[in-house]
Amino acid sequence: DTGVSQDPRHKITKRGQNVTFRCDPISEHNRLYWYRQTLGQGPEFLTYFQNEAQLEKSRLLSDRFSAERPKGSFSTLEIQRTEQGDSAMYLCASSLSQGVTDTQYFGPGTRLTVL
Amino acid sequence: EDQVTQSPEALRLQEGESSSLNCSYTVSGLRGLFWYRQDPGKGPEFLFTLYSAGEEKEKERLKATLTKKESFLHITAPKPEDSATYLCAVHSGGSNYKLTFGKGTLLTVNP
Repeated sequence: DTGVSQDPRHKITKRGQNVTFRCDPISEHNRLYWYRQTLGQGPEFLTYFQNEAQLEKSRLLSDRFSAERPKGSFSTLEIQRTEQGDSAMYLCASSLSQGVTDTQYFGPGTRLTVL
Repeated sequence: EDQVTQSPEALRLQEGESSSLNCSYTVSGLRGLFWYRQDPGKGPEFLFTLYSAGEEKEKERLKATLTKKESFLHITAPKPEDSATYLCAVHSGGSNYKLTFGKGTLLTVNP
């Protein structure tokens, strides 16, 4: 079990550029989540996949954000036309469906800085 | 809407000085309450899941308890390596599978 991995770990970009992050979940996990965390705050939910289906999106996820999980394996989160307010840690988590609730295991995160 | 409030925001302890962190919550049908530990610049690390009032879980120097309105994370005889931010999160019946987190408690244990 290698855990959840994310790439890149750090990304610095200029305002207006597009960025894409990748998440590889724990291999047998069928659920995958994206969260965003800013300094001094807890993680905030962005979106959730069960296998390849995107089942829930937060209102935080504006039209500039898009997430995919092709074939129910890795996932990508793309931010178009980045803004300084997008600067944050982007966290990916995965879980195995186990009944009334799952335990979500988090990756190390991708730190985005928009200049 | 689910709400999670953690207190205190920051706690400074001497090594060996036991204390408790609080997590109060308002949810529509609790399915699970989670405690995570987060070190600077890293992702949250899972500690415990609590499902119903009266439940307790222990791991080394940490013990988590749950009532109908709040959870406590008790730290017994802490060591400097216990220094981290401790996050509380809830999964409620009205929220599919997303977690709602509190802002965390920053714990510093001085040698």
